Amino acid sequence: IQMTQSPSSLSASVGDRVTITCRASQDIGNYLGWYQHKPGRAPKLLIYAASSLQSGVPSRFSGSGSGTDFALTISSLQPEDFASYYCLQDYNYPRTFGQGTKVEIK
Amino acid sequence: QVQLVESGGSVVQPGRSLRLSCAASGFTFRNYAMHWVRQAPGKGLEWVAVVWYNGLTKYYADSVQGRFTISRDNSKNTMDVQMNSLRPEDTAVYYCARGTQRGGGTLEDWGQGTLVTVSS
Repeated sequence: IQMTQSPSSLSASVGDRVTITCRASQDIGNYLGWYQHKPGRAPKLLIYAASSLQSGVPSRFSGSGSGTDFALTISSLQPEDFASYYCLQDYNYPRTFGQGTKVEIK
Repeated sequence: QVQLVESGGSVVQPGRSLRLSCAASGFTFRNYAMHWVRQAPGKGLEWVAVVWYNGLTKYYADSVQGRFTISRDNSKNTMDVQMNSLRPEDTAVYYCARGTQRGGGTLEDWGQGTLVTVSS
């Protein structure tokens, strides 16, 4: 399964609403997770099952979608949110990530 | 809390072998699938391999199929990956990660990673 994520990068300001999208090459139901990754750190699970918020993750993060089209939204970007974000399909093996989105400070 | 610690990363010549290990603690290791994921310099995350809870079912990315072998020891709470015929494109930080289920599910907890450099 191919996962196409967009955009590859974006510049935004603190307080902005940001949306990242991921499209699967076939129907994957809600078998999709979103991850945040900062340089030198372990990736962090934000959203699982397309729209379920992982414990401890701020509520400004939300996920939506099912089937082939998915989105991660950050409702009000905070300084600690500048990082790279990845989607991951867990519908079948081999697992596949999207190409990633780097969120940078405008 | 869950702790995953990778080890074994180093500089190795193309064509040689290397074995990475992941030591797990803070959860019932035998109940969860374990994965390897890597990130090459300047690139995104790439899923590498999984071993299911009982060690009997394994899957690999096409890029490593036939060269890498994943395994686990539930008596020691460890997971390994034996990497043979290494190529320069295998250069990456390798992360181990815990799945949310015995075989399926997403990747919930991650280690800090260990760096493998394949270079002559």
